[in-house]
Amino acid sequence: DGGITQSPKYLFRKEGQNVTLSCEQNLNHDAMYWYRQDPGQGLRLIYYSQIVNDFQKGDIAEGYSVSREKKESFPLTVTSAQKNPTAFYLCASSPSDLNTEAFFGQGTRLTVV
Amino acid sequence: KNEVEQSPQNLTAQEGEFITINCSYSVGISALHWLQQHPGGGIVSLFMLSSGKKKHGRLIATINIQEKHSSLHITASHPRDSAVYICAVSGGGADGLTFGKGTHLIIQP
Repeated sequence: DGGITQSPKYLFRKEGQNVTLSCEQNLNHDAMYWYRQDPGQGLRLIYYSQIVNDFQKGDIAEGYSVSREKKESFPLTVTSAQKNPTAFYLCASSPSDLNTEAFFGQGTRLTVV
Repeated sequence: KNEVEQSPQNLTAQEGEFITINCSYSVGISALHWLQQHPGGGIVSLFMLSSGKKKHGRLIATINIQEKHSSLHITASHPRDSAVYICAVSGGGADGLTFGKGTHLIIQP
């Protein structure tokens, strides 16, 4: 079955450590996105990528980094520079841009202690 | 930047009731998405529409482009419909969706 896989579902890290969240899709989609969800707020865009080896900052990119070396994969690294990293992170993809249907992963809940 | 407002924020109803969730946005869009988020966190796309009305099973979504407003209706609601329903809009570019804060729906048996 085609879809988006995020792993792990739950992640705990100590403050000051970098952590990488995985996002893989087998839908052959060009565009991929990372969003952050906090309680009581709408999802906010961290980074997005339209094609391999290219990505753009979203609204809240500070303290995060990404790579897009393969079409299927768009990992997100939460660095120690991110002041408040505890959140729910969602990865999404779409065939080209978001005038087509968007597909979402199951999310990763990151807790920094 | 588009602002997306949803109402109500929370809704509790009895099984069988007709449910309406509203979404308004401030700037013209190219597409509007209705999404469903279950307690585990994963999000499922319910509808994407740019005009008119779409129906899938007991779910109906409408959009009025002139009024910048969309509604999601659930007929014959069931406890398994309990979830957070999220409205999101795209402006036609490649920089992602703008999301509402979601409507938390609980359907009691």
